[in-house]
Amino acid sequence: DVKVTQSSRYLVKRTGEKVFLECVQDMDHENMFWYRQDPGLGLRLIYFSYDVKMKEKGDIPEGYSVSREKKERFSLILESASTNQTSMYLCASRPTSGYEQYFGPGTRLTVT
Amino acid sequence: DQQVKQNSPSLSVQEGRISILNCDYTNSMFDYFLWYKKYPAEGPTFLISISSIKDKNEDGRFTVFLNKSAKHLSLHIVPSQPGDSAVYFCAAIPLNTGNQFYFGTGTSLTVIP
Repeated sequence: DVKVTQSSRYLVKRTGEKVFLECVQDMDHENMFWYRQDPGLGLRLIYFSYDVKMKEKGDIPEGYSVSREKKERFSLILESASTNQTSMYLCASRPTSGYEQYFGPGTRLTVT
Repeated sequence: DQQVKQNSPSLSVQEGRISILNCDYTNSMFDYFLWYKKYPAEGPTFLISISSIKDKNEDGRFTVFLNKSAKHLSLHIVPSQPGDSAVYFCAAIPLNTGNQFYFGTGTSLTVIP
């Protein structure tokens, strides 16, 4: 069974903290994604990666960075968390063939 | 700039009736379209998709229709069941790009028993 896991379901951080969100997939997918979901805005792509150590900016990369050192793991980093980064963060993976993405359960991050 | 729009934030339907969820897009380069379903506290799950070379795709109770000239797609659920109550997102992918997905804002469907 296809599985994407995210390290935390809920996270509370203070403004200015460095935040790491981890995502692991067990499907040997080449492509991995980070989205944020906000009310009225849907899912917006932050970054994606199509291979180990490769990354591409999505629509809203400002304030975020990513790391992909291993094929199964894709990390989202908030270098200095701000209150406007309070959101639901969703990780997804996709094989090279086919367009279907598989999503993790999400991490609800609150920055105070 | 929202390139994929779902103009109805919510929809209520009686059990057994048809649910119609709509999605409009602005980019004529979109080549492939998908619908995802999301329950609270879970990630979205893939429901059904359609290529721009087709105008209809059916999978059980779910049918997606694509009208390219109107830049409009719709998801029909017949018959609707209470377990279909969820948020539905449409998504679109431009030609020759495999990873730049554009999602709509979602429609919350409630199926009333």
